[in-house]
Amino acid sequence: KQEVTQIPAALSVPEGENLVLNCSFTDSAIYNLQWFRQDPGKGLTSLLLIQSSQREQTSGRLNASLDKSSGRSTLYIAASQPGDSATYLCAARPSGSRLTFGEGTQLTVNP
Amino acid sequence: DADVTQTPRNRITKTGKRIMLECSQTKGHDRMYWYRQDPGLGLRLIYYSFDVKDINKGEISDGYSVSRQAQAKFSLSLESAIPNQTALYFCATSDGITPQHFGDGTRLSIL
Repeated sequence: KQEVTQIPAALSVPEGENLVLNCSFTDSAIYNLQWFRQDPGKGLTSLLLIQSSQREQTSGRLNASLDKSSGRSTLYIAASQPGDSATYLCAARPSGSRLTFGEGTQLTVNP
Repeated sequence: DADVTQTPRNRITKTGKRIMLECSQTKGHDRMYWYRQDPGLGLRLIYYSFDVKDINKGEISDGYSVSRQAQAKFSLSLESAIPNQTALYFCATSDGITPQHFGDGTRLSIL
């Protein structure tokens, strides 16, 4: 059974800092890995999707990496802004359509 | 208008009551999902459906049932609600390729 863990559970940083969120998964036989953002009172918004054959994906100030052999993914946020404050969730997808989510990292970026 | 609409957004009810949460989508996706989110546990899959005639149990289906009334509609029922079903419930849709698209959630409290 796939298990996904995110560290840290919460993170508070000053504005402008670069930061890394970590995600680990137990079963390396994944189809893809996804990063989502969740704002309070809202659903999840997809940020980046990395296929199993890829090593990283970039979108603006966000960069996600994938290392299947070690069962790890990281989300790098450059030059953080207060608007980046949210909960970030990673989810591993096996060959089917079901996602296994981590518990999330609650990020606060202080002005 | 939202692509994935959940109703109601908030519900408070009593133990033993029957409750239905509804989800409708305008994205034209065949696949629909119901998740629950609890603090510190991430999202867990309750049920999912790949088309109108297809219903599948997720990892925590006990105490829940679903109905796929049409391609665009997928409802979740709690036949006899209990307090430990208090949670945030999300509906999501997918075409099996692009990331799942989430509704804004239903906050359910059972007293």
